[in-house]
Amino acid sequence: GDSVTQMEGPVTLSEEAFLTINCTYTATGYPSLFWYVQYPGEGLQLLLKATKADDKGSNKGFEATYRKETTSFHLEKGSVQVSDSAVYFCALSGLSGGYNKLIFGAGTRLAVHP
Amino acid sequence: GAVVSQHPSRVICKSGTSVKIECRSLDFQATTMFWYRQFPKQSLMLMATSNEGSKATYEQGVEKDKFLINHASLTLSTLTVTSAHPEDSSFYICGVIRTGGINSPLHFGNGTRLTVT
Repeated sequence: GDSVTQMEGPVTLSEEAFLTINCTYTATGYPSLFWYVQYPGEGLQLLLKATKADDKGSNKGFEATYRKETTSFHLEKGSVQVSDSAVYFCALSGLSGGYNKLIFGAGTRLAVHP
Repeated sequence: GAVVSQHPSRVICKSGTSVKIECRSLDFQATTMFWYRQFPKQSLMLMATSNEGSKATYEQGVEKDKFLINHASLTLSTLTVTSAHPEDSSFYICGVIRTGGINSPLHFGNGTRLTVT
């Protein structure tokens, strides 16, 4: 079935460092891809999305490009801030068992230090 | 502002009791809502898909008699954990999708942390 694989965390960076969180997927058909962020004690918030190959999703300085050839959707940010510390989830939306489902990766915890 | 309201945010109950969690869509009508469960430092596991006016669709391994889902209106779905046990302690999150098909993202509530003592 459809699945999402994320790099294991935690990822620990200094402020203003470059961030990459890898995400690859397995899916039949043409899923939409998402990055969600979860701040401590809160629910998930949509960070960005891409709905077709070569689309680039971007928000708050974060970017991810839908790469069909490598089945990847890596999250990047050029200069992280302490406030970016959170857990990041890669997800795909696709049909499974006849239903539209959102399938999540395991999540990657990011800790940014001053 | 918030698109999805989930209540309560925290609940502590005794073993054997039942707990109801509400998920409300504030800005739009939602024919489909999703219930997820998140264990500490783990990903979200889809428990069930709640369909307005019909029975919920449960994922494999989820006990439908233990986790009762009711989607009585286009803006409200409830999850009732019946005869709760300590192993049911977890973070439960509902997700709501606008009618828009497969490309529509989910909007999530802030979650409910359930602790069963």
